[in-house]
Formats: sequence, C-alpha cells, structure tokens
Amino acid sequence: GAVVSQHPSWVICKSGTSVKIECRSLDFQATTMFWYRQFPKQSLMLMATSNEGSKATYEQGVEKDKFLINHASLTLSTLTVTSAHPEDSSFYICSANIREHEQYFGPGTRLTVT
Amino acid sequence: GQNIDQPTEMTATEGAIVQINCTYQTSGFNGLFWYQQHAGEAPTFLSYNVLDGLEEKGRFSSFLSRSKGYSYLLLKELQMKDSASYLCAVSDSNYQLIWGAGTKLIIKP
Repeated sequence: GAVVSQHPSWVICKSGTSVKIECRSLDFQATTMFWYRQFPKQSLMLMATSNEGSKATYEQGVEKDKFLINHASLTLSTLTVTSAHPEDSSFYICSANIREHEQYFGPGTRLTVT
Repeated sequence: GQNIDQPTEMTATEGAIVQINCTYQTSGFNGLFWYQQHAGEAPTFLSYNVLDGLEEKGRFSSFLSRSKGYSYLLLKELQMKDSASYLCAVSDSNYQLIWGAGTKLIIKP
C-alpha cells in the first residue's frame, strides 16, 4: 500500500524557536497533502490543505504566518511552526491523497515546546 | 452545521463482536471512512463506503445507509490488539473530511 513518511517523529524545542516537519509520499505522487493537529484525547483537526506549486489553504483559526506550509514537489510538503510556544505542543499528522477517496496518513510528529 | 456523532467509549470482551455506530449530518456526501488509531499513533485506513450496504473485509465490516445518515463498523472475533480509537469521517461536497471525535474501544480478556 501507499506509504507516507514524516520526519522527525518527535521533537522538543524551546519556546520562540522554529521547527520544520517534513511529509513525504514514498511511492506515489501527491498533488494534495493535508496537515492535521491532534491534541490528547481529541479528534484530528485539519489545519491546512497543501497543494503542489501553489499556496496552502488554511482552515479558519489557523495562523498562516505561524504555520508555514511549503509543497515544493509532488512528494514533499513541509510544515514549519514558527516562534513556537508551549500551546503549540501537539501531535502533527500529514496525509496525502492517491485518489479522491483514498487518504494515507504519515506516522505523525509529536512536538513538545518547553 | 456539519456533525459526526459516535459513542465516546465502548467495552467488549475478547473473542466477541462489537458494533460501533456513527451518524452524520454534512453538506454533501462523497463517502464515509473508518479509521483505527492506536494511542500515540496516526490513524490507519479501515474502510470506505459510498454506496448503501455492507462491505466486508476480514474481521471488519462497515455498513452505510445514506438515507439515514448512518454507518456502523462491525468487529468480529475481537482481539486484544483491537483496543484502539475508531474514527468515523465523512467526505463532504468539497471532498473535505469531517471527523468524528472517535470511539475508544476497550477489549477485556
């Protein structure tokens, strides 16, 4: 089956610094990737839709200047959390579509901001 | 508004059968998904239904009734490793996934 990877799997950073998370589709090309955030014991919250070669579409309430998304190629999207704060600590998950109804998730990145 | 409802938690016994229900109200419908998520891990795809009826895949089956806005995930011959959260998600008219809060399934020996 399709494989989506994320790197790093977990990261600890100090408040005020920036963190970049990579999402790669390993055996298929993904024109669209999605970034989700999940707080403990809560469901997935869509943050943004990342389209290759164009600007990401952010969900309401998500600061686009804080969560920078770059989809530079058909196999790579990156999420950069800028000036991270402790409240940004969360589980960040990317996913990619092969077809409209087949979405595959990366393993997730656990971010802890101290 | 758009809404997905599923029970918060269920408990079942190893070897038994459990049915997890999901009801939805969305703007448009382009299919319903079930995902399994173990604690601390990303969701994994279980099933996709776009037409009414039952889809069987090994120990797991998923049912859909579009007229009732209702689906269920049926797990047979439960194993301890089935302890996880089960997420129901609906693809709306824009093919955006609307997620339920998930059902935590606890399997007891």
